[in-house]
Amino acid sequence: NAGVMQNPRHLVRRRGQEARLRCSPVKGHSHVYWYRQLPEEGLKFMVYLQKENIIDESGMPKERFSAEFPKEGPSILRIQQVVRGDSAAYFCASSEQDSGNTIYFGEGSWLTVV
Amino acid sequence: DQQVKQNSPSLSVQEGRISILNCDYTNSMFDYFLWYKKYPAEGPTFLISISSIKDKNEDGRFTVFLNKSAKHLSLHIVPSQPGDSAVYFCAAPFGSSNTGKLIFGQGTTLQVKP
Repeated sequence: NAGVMQNPRHLVRRRGQEARLRCSPVKGHSHVYWYRQLPEEGLKFMVYLQKENIIDESGMPKERFSAEFPKEGPSILRIQQVVRGDSAAYFCASSEQDSGNTIYFGEGSWLTVV
Repeated sequence: DQQVKQNSPSLSVQEGRISILNCDYTNSMFDYFLWYKKYPAEGPTFLISISSIKDKNEDGRFTVFLNKSAKHLSLHIVPSQPGDSAVYFCAAPFGSSNTGKLIFGQGTTLQVKP
């Protein structure tokens, strides 16, 4: 999976708590994407970030979800006040600048809301 | 509106035979397609891609065919091996070009029997 590192791999949260998922892209990659896979479904685009910029967040739910990719450190996907429907696998992917459409995924973070 | 569709949820083939995975799309603006392979509890791995200026792209045992008039693409794996057993997703970039913002099909689970 080309070195994209995600943690935690598994996260259990109670309803109403916050979930923070981290993603370190491949070294040298400046573009980060977050995708979500709900049970029995394909991957759905959530957000596209470059360093310190949100480029496209058209796939993000309007409330409770936010993402950042700071100048230093990993990209963070934050889900506030989690609900059972947030239980899913969250995948981060990265690419080089101007590398086109091919992106490389991390191993994923599995969120379970109880 | 599912713009990329994989209508076969599963496929079972014998080792050594050909596996054919199908994908249909509805948006004639799509000009690039990718196939990803995914094992359970792992992230998707890029497999092969094709530009709409071509009708075939081959990489080892994997060949992707594109029929633009039918808005259909297929992935052929020959010969199939037990290690190919995984979920296969087709995907296409949407929105801004030249980014990793992809729309995925629902996936087809391939089982290759020894």
